[in-house]
Amino acid sequence: GAVVSQHPSWVICKSGTSVKIECRSLDFQATTMFWYRQFPKQSLMLMATSNEGSKATYEQGVEKDKFLINHASLTLSTLTVTSAHPEDSSFYICSARVDFREFFGPGTRLTVL
Amino acid sequence: QKEVEQDPGPLSVPEGAIVSLNCTYSNSAFQYFMWYRQYSRKGPELLMYTYSSGNKEDGRFTAQVDKSSKYISLFIRDSQPSDSATYLCAMSLQGAQKLVFGQGTRLTINP
Repeated sequence: GAVVSQHPSWVICKSGTSVKIECRSLDFQATTMFWYRQFPKQSLMLMATSNEGSKATYEQGVEKDKFLINHASLTLSTLTVTSAHPEDSSFYICSARVDFREFFGPGTRLTVL
Repeated sequence: QKEVEQDPGPLSVPEGAIVSLNCTYSNSAFQYFMWYRQYSRKGPELLMYTYSSGNKEDGRFTAQVDKSSKYISLFIRDSQPSDSATYLCAMSLQGAQKLVFGQGTRLTINP
């Protein structure tokens, strides 16, 4: 299957700082990537759809000015959590679509102190 | 009513047992059906995928889709402790970008 990587795998930051998470498709090109958030013992919550060369589409209730998404190339999408607060602490996972199948990255655990 | 319903469990069975995981859905237009396995603190891993009704087998895993009943299943034979994880069903419409996920079932295989 297709391989998706994420970096970093975990990050701890102070409240008020910004954090950038990278998502890369390693062996294929992805015109569309997705960003999810997952709280403990809960299912995945789609935050936004990232399209290469255009603006991301955010799900209802997700603040686009807080969660900045950039999909500058066919293999890289980034999620920047701006002015992070403790309530932003979560597990963030990206994915990429190959035909109808979706392949996920290993996830990034964000802890905001 | 959620589009996709999945019993969250937890489900605990002894090693070697046959496990049956199920999802029901309400949208008859769903065309693609997937099962993901997610270990704790990891991203989901695509296990099985099917298009339309029928069975698909891969080693100890069998995915079954019954579109007339809007019901999909994942069977795990000869279950192993390493199968302990959360299993998520997912489905999508033809041409759709987004997947719709079930809530996930937490499965524990006891040695």
